[in-house]
Amino acid sequence: GAGVSQSPSNKVTEKGKDVELRCDPISGHTALYWYRQSLGQGLEFLIYFQGNSAPDKSGLPSDRFSAERTGGSVSTLTIQRTQQEDSAVYLCASSLGLALQETQYFGPGTRLLVL
Amino acid sequence: RKEVEQDPGPFNVPEGATVAFNCTYSNSASQSFFWYRQDCRKEPKLLMSVYSSGNEDGRFTAQLNRASQYISLLIRDSKLSDSATYLCVVTTSGTYKYIFGTGTRLKVLA
Repeated sequence: GAGVSQSPSNKVTEKGKDVELRCDPISGHTALYWYRQSLGQGLEFLIYFQGNSAPDKSGLPSDRFSAERTGGSVSTLTIQRTQQEDSAVYLCASSLGLALQETQYFGPGTRLLVL
Repeated sequence: RKEVEQDPGPFNVPEGATVAFNCTYSNSASQSFFWYRQDCRKEPKLLMSVYSSGNEDGRFTAQLNRASQYISLLIRDSKLSDSATYLCVVTTSGTYKYIFGTGTRLKVLA
């Protein structure tokens, strides 16, 4: 079946512009996660959703970052007034449910470059 | 101190060699542990979960040492296709944040 998909695959933007990143989880997966991976770095947790609810937003780097999920499916991560340090690969993952032993399935990521 | 720490490597080993990586975690309340594999410019994929009693999947063996707060991954009979970055992942009771290590890079040489 279809895996996690993300769009766009690549995004180049100018400093100060807003960007919106999209994630389509695997059908039937109730949990969805966003991560950021900078060049040569590990994955940095940003936020997770159980259904449409985001119980833990502590990973969002600043108030320029926001995320929402509607209909228990598609999620969008929005970065306002982008800065050069926002350049990274933004990865989305989904899992069947929200349990500590659940496998997370990752999408291919969106490569964001802020000029 | 980082929550999850790994030796970044790279580990350069010949084909057929046995190689082991360790990953230490700082939170004693950590509950679940995983190894993910990430190929260059690709997304991470689950390699194996790590169970308290240790577990094996073919050439791969994972172990957990709660007393010393580390997990390990052993790869036997290394193949060229094992070349990748291996990410240690830890979750903690009370939160569903998956904490990733920065990864250990393995290069298997012909």
